[in-house]
Amino acid sequence: AQKVTQAQTEISVVEKEDVTLDCVYETRDTTYYLFWYKQPPSGELVFLIRRNSFDEQNEISGRYSWNFQKSTSSFNFTITASQVVDSAVYFCALSEPNSGYSTLTFGKGTMLLVSP
Amino acid sequence: GAGVSQSPSNKVTEKGKDVELRCDPISGHTALYWYRQSLGQGLEFLIYFQGNSAPDKSGLPSDRFSAERTGGSVSTLTIQRTQQEDSAVYLCASSLKAGGLYNEQFFGPGTRLTVL
Repeated sequence: AQKVTQAQTEISVVEKEDVTLDCVYETRDTTYYLFWYKQPPSGELVFLIRRNSFDEQNEISGRYSWNFQKSTSSFNFTITASQVVDSAVYFCALSEPNSGYSTLTFGKGTMLLVSP
Repeated sequence: GAGVSQSPSNKVTEKGKDVELRCDPISGHTALYWYRQSLGQGLEFLIYFQGNSAPDKSGLPSDRFSAERTGGSVSTLTIQRTQQEDSAVYLCASSLKAGGLYNEQFFGPGTRLTVL
């Protein structure tokens, strides 16, 4: 079983639409970290957010928002009023105590295509 | 400031040859990580270094893979007797420290390895 599941392989939206990228994780630990990274066509992974398991407050950063729900083991990412520049592959990742919270276990990624 | 740099950006080699991939972390970052990104396997952790401690090699897929980090800075990932299944993008990342609050990892642009 995958530790981090991003069920949506590819999503296509039209500019200005809102879009939510799903992430479901699996861990037996009570303390862990969750991450989202963006990989634009240029290829370099860009850090977006880190959240620890004790902080369930939702976070908003500009057009980006994250909804962390421990009850459903989900850490979903919403882009409001999407733009063409948001086109990228988005990865959700988990860091657990067995690695000293050091290494990241990534999901398979969701490719987001925003068309004008 | 300068980000994580990797060289070469592209490497084509013949099956059976050895290759060396280089990573220059962000100055001041004591933790360095290697990941591999391939179509079939997604993003996989390979190895990480924290300061002068022994590296965590738990992600290395075989004994043909090794890495070293000289002087706590530059790292070299070596793949001996390359196989076609080694073809992938090899990503390097660094963080201020490994683990906990410092585990925000910044990634380099990657080295695309093609084994013919």
